Amino acid sequence: QKEVEQDPGPLSVPEGAIVSLNCTYSNSAFQYFMWYRQYSRKGPELLMYTYSSGNKEDGRFTAQVDKSSKYISLFIRDSQPSDSATYLCAMKPGGTSYGKLTFGQGTILTVHP
Amino acid sequence: DTGVSQDPRHKITKRGQNVTFRCDPISEHNRLYWYRQTLGQGPEFLTYFQNEAQLEKSRLLSDRFSAERPKGSFSTLEIQRTEQGDSAMYLCASSLPGQATSDTQYFGPGTRLTVL
Repeated sequence: QKEVEQDPGPLSVPEGAIVSLNCTYSNSAFQYFMWYRQYSRKGPELLMYTYSSGNKEDGRFTAQVDKSSKYISLFIRDSQPSDSATYLCAMKPGGTSYGKLTFGQGTILTVHP
Repeated sequence: DTGVSQDPRHKITKRGQNVTFRCDPISEHNRLYWYRQTLGQGPEFLTYFQNEAQLEKSRLLSDRFSAERPKGSFSTLEIQRTEQGDSAMYLCASSLPGQATSDTQYFGPGTRLTVL
């Protein structure tokens, strides 16, 4: 079983929809949680960064972490065709500030006009 | 452009050949990571440098793989005797400790390797 599970989709939504992306994890040592966006044949780009539990909002994006359930989410409001990409969740343990990231498989999102 | 750069962007090679990739991190970033990403999967950690010291290596990094960061700036990843299973996107990331978002890793565009 992988440490981080993410539904690969694909997910197709109309423009303006609210998108919900999710990951579950098994390693209780994970303390730092990130969402990256990756366009086709490009490197991942950091979208959101959250430490421990709680919510974080940045424009149309909201990240939620529920450590008790080992579950993280990314919500995209008023989705746009330019949001079409693969969304990767990533996480790393606490204790030290550095360390390798463990990624989910990625969810492919298409927002159609 | 002040982001992470990687060279080459694409490499096609024949099985059994050696290949070398280069990564230039963001200026002053002292931490550098290598990841490998196969089609339909998330990136997988390969190795990590702090300055010139290689501090962690994944079990994925077989004896055919070697990485260096000789002066604590750019890094190279070499694959010897390539196999078809080595075909993947090789991603480099760099980070700087002490930022508010604690070691945020910024990724380069990747080097796509195809082994025929």
